[in-house]
Amino acid sequence: EDQVTQSPEALRLQEGESSSLNCSYTVSGLRGLFWYRQDPGKGPEFLFTLYSAGEEKEKERLKATLTKKESFLHITAPKPEDSATYLCAVRRGTSYGKLTFGQGTILTVHP
Amino acid sequence: NAGVTQTPKFQVLKTGQSMTLQCAQDMNHEYMSWYRQDPGMGLRLIHYSVGAGITDQGEVPNGYNVSRSTTEDFPLRLLSAAPSQTSVYFCASQGFTEAFFGQGTRLTVV
Repeated sequence: EDQVTQSPEALRLQEGESSSLNCSYTVSGLRGLFWYRQDPGKGPEFLFTLYSAGEEKEKERLKATLTKKESFLHITAPKPEDSATYLCAVRRGTSYGKLTFGQGTILTVHP
Repeated sequence: NAGVTQTPKFQVLKTGQSMTLQCAQDMNHEYMSWYRQDPGMGLRLIHYSVGAGITDQGEVPNGYNVSRSTTEDFPLRLLSAAPSQTSVYFCASQGFTEAFFGQGTRLTVV
């Protein structure tokens, strides 16, 4: 059974204080690890897809990395508008229509 | 660009009532899915489809029914609503590299 665990559950940062969110996973035949951002009352918004260990992707203040067991979402010099829930999900190769999600990390950035 | 459109945005049902949550996508994706999101539990897969006429169960399928007669539409039916089905429901349309989500339907069953 695929499992995804995100930590911490909640993270409070001061504006400009860099940090990382963790996503640990177990899946047979990984065919993509996904990061999403979700604002209150909205649907998840796609950020990144990573496919193989060692892969990295960046977008503005966010950088996602992947190892064989976990992924990190690094946030550099965050701003209050980065406050959101960040979701991690995995997809296995035999089930393209199915994503398994973690519980999410609620990020709050104070000015 | 509409992407994924869900209706309604909000709904209140009485226990035992039935209803259909609508989902439509305009990206010509083969894969579509329904998830529910509950506090502290992340998104859980209800049903999914790999193409018109093909559906399968996810993690929490009981009490829900789906069909896929066209590539664009993937409705979710609640057969007899129960308070345990109070949740936020998201429809997703998936390409090879990413999945796009609708804005959600907040359902309350009283």
